[in-house]
Amino acid sequence: DSGVTQTPKHLITATGQRVTLRCSPRSGDLSVYWYQQSLDQGLQFLIQYYNGEERAKGNILERFSAQQFPDLHSELNLSSLELGDSALYFCASSAQGTRVFIDTGELFFGEGSRLTVL
Amino acid sequence: QQQVKQSPQSLIVQKGGISIINCAYENTAFDYFPWYQQFPGKGPALLIAIRPDVSEKKEGRFTISFNKSAKQFSLHIMDSQPGDSATYFCAAEYGNKLVFGAGTILRVKS
Repeated sequence: DSGVTQTPKHLITATGQRVTLRCSPRSGDLSVYWYQQSLDQGLQFLIQYYNGEERAKGNILERFSAQQFPDLHSELNLSSLELGDSALYFCASSAQGTRVFIDTGELFFGEGSRLTVL
Repeated sequence: QQQVKQSPQSLIVQKGGISIINCAYENTAFDYFPWYQQFPGKGPALLIAIRPDVSEKKEGRFTISFNKSAKQFSLHIMDSQPGDSATYFCAAEYGNKLVFGAGTILRVKS
């Protein structure tokens, strides 16, 4: 158990709808990262928050947004859903906000939220 | 260029054999190279990592070989076991971002 909790585990919705995925990081971790995993794209970095502020942005669509709350949990909002948005969405956390991997070498991943858009 | 190219896409190895997964990158700004292991239904978990000032790192049956001039690195799994069957991702750090390869599905046949 990584200590990162993601809900819901599975979600089925229709095109055009909006969903919210939730992530609780490991206790004490200030950084939250969101990744999208699809069969043909592998793990794609979406966005990172550190202590409530956006720290880095990856291939996140304008239809997607995220935030990190004062209690450090994070939500990823996906709107105007399309079939191609069907994927596994992972949240990961780490203790630090910058140059994480040099010092700690590790992101701790949750078990993911599987989104199916019909 | 922030891509990390990983091969092969899938790999079948006999129990006791050596599994080899290769990755290549273009961006010389990458300066940390971890490998993550993912079992079905689980999130990826760090397996082993290397910095570019080291050419090889070994942890148990897992070894990373790093060739800075060729901008390539690889994971070797010695004495592969059925329990090693998983998806393996190479990755590279760039700024605050961890860029992943596409993954290799490893199946070890007993």
